[in-house]
Amino acid sequence: SQKIEQNSEALNIQEGKTATLTCNYTNYSPAYLQWYRQDPGRGPVFLLLIRENEKEKRKERLKVTFDTTLKQSLFHITASQPADSATYLCALGENNFNKFYFGSGTKLNVKP
Amino acid sequence: DVKVTQSSRYLVKRTGEKVFLECVQDMDHENMFWYRQDPGLGLRLIYFSYDVKMKEKGDIPEGYSVSREKKERFSLILESASTNQTSMYLCASSFLADTGELFFGEGSRLTVL
Repeated sequence: SQKIEQNSEALNIQEGKTATLTCNYTNYSPAYLQWYRQDPGRGPVFLLLIRENEKEKRKERLKVTFDTTLKQSLFHITASQPADSATYLCALGENNFNKFYFGSGTKLNVKP
Repeated sequence: DVKVTQSSRYLVKRTGEKVFLECVQDMDHENMFWYRQDPGLGLRLIYFSYDVKMKEKGDIPEGYSVSREKKERFSLILESASTNQTSMYLCASSFLADTGELFFGEGSRLTVL
């Protein structure tokens, strides 16, 4: 069966450290992968897109990798801040941008 | 800024009632989506629409219908609400551009008693 797995346990890290979140998938052939941030009681907000032919993408303190052999994406936040505390969702898309499949998200807690 | 507005943040309905959830976007996006979000299950696609009067079933369409009479408005209808439809409902829109970025509304938390 198809699965998208994100660590359901919260990730607790100290301010200034690098947070690394994982997104593993099974029985999908994604053409691209997106990461979203969701704050409590709010809708998700788009952060980054990475395509299947891209190994790595960066945006300010964010870095995403995409390994289609391992069927995994890693999402890094460097120099993390308490304001980065939120739930982070990955979403896969298999062809055009009409259909997305979401993971259940990982909650990140950055302690001052 | 793109704005996706959902008509109600919180609703409480009784089993068997007909429920309408409205969503309006102001950026002329072709695509609109309805998701529900439940703890541990992530976001699951109910229906999406890629044009006016066009709709396609997502992964969990049973018990729901949709309407898209105008490009900016996408409505989700629960014909006869049941307790297992208690959830957070999220509307999103997107433009057929190079990132496919989804713009979400704030969500509608529905409780069915």
